[in-house]
Amino acid sequence: DAGVTQSPTHLIKTRGQQVTLRCSPKSGHDTVSWYQQALGQGPQFIFQYYEEEERQRGNFPDRFSGHQFPNYSSELNVNALLLGDSALYLCASSRAYLTGELFFGEGSRLTVL
Amino acid sequence: AQKVTQAQTEISVVEKEDVTLDCVYETRDTTYYLFWYKQPPSGELVFLIRRNSFDEQNEISGRYSWNFQKSTSSFNFTITASQVVDSAVYFCALSPLSQGGSEKLVFGKGTKLTVNP
Repeated sequence: DAGVTQSPTHLIKTRGQQVTLRCSPKSGHDTVSWYQQALGQGPQFIFQYYEEEERQRGNFPDRFSGHQFPNYSSELNVNALLLGDSALYLCASSRAYLTGELFFGEGSRLTVL
Repeated sequence: AQKVTQAQTEISVVEKEDVTLDCVYETRDTTYYLFWYKQPPSGELVFLIRRNSFDEQNEISGRYSWNFQKSTSSFNFTITASQVVDSAVYFCALSPLSQGGSEKLVFGKGTKLTVNP
């Protein structure tokens, strides 16, 4: 049973560029959440997708956007990258209404130069 | 506002010692969930426990135990007879159900536990 898979695992971008990160949820899960984890910090909630719609959003600017596909996989897009966007981006999946039983992927490490 | 504080940034113990990781939370919600997650060097967060705000019973799972005290807004985690494999960063998290709850977790900054042989 495959867990949550994320790609790419590492990537380097320069300021102003755009990036797309991908996530495949655990089998049987229909909800995907994205978190940003800066070095030495706890993860911060970006947004959650369910039924292909953004259901909840944290305190992140509109440069952060996402999408969920019919097969429940998801993408996180970040436009106009800033140095401060350098972080580990974690995807978590769950089954709707099972509060907090999140299964996390290993993350995508983004470095912005 | 919701907030989780893990005052211990780093803890180092010798194998077989018991260790307690502290977690203090703030919320105005009366209904919420509390969690502990483990983050090994590989990066993925591993779910350890979820506790409903109505259930203050302590819980034990093998060498792990959790003490939830609503009166002090604390949810502490104890590892008994620690092992080298317990070395990781541990996060405490809060999910206030008034905000649709579910996957919007508020995490603390984590406690890095190192267990030396």
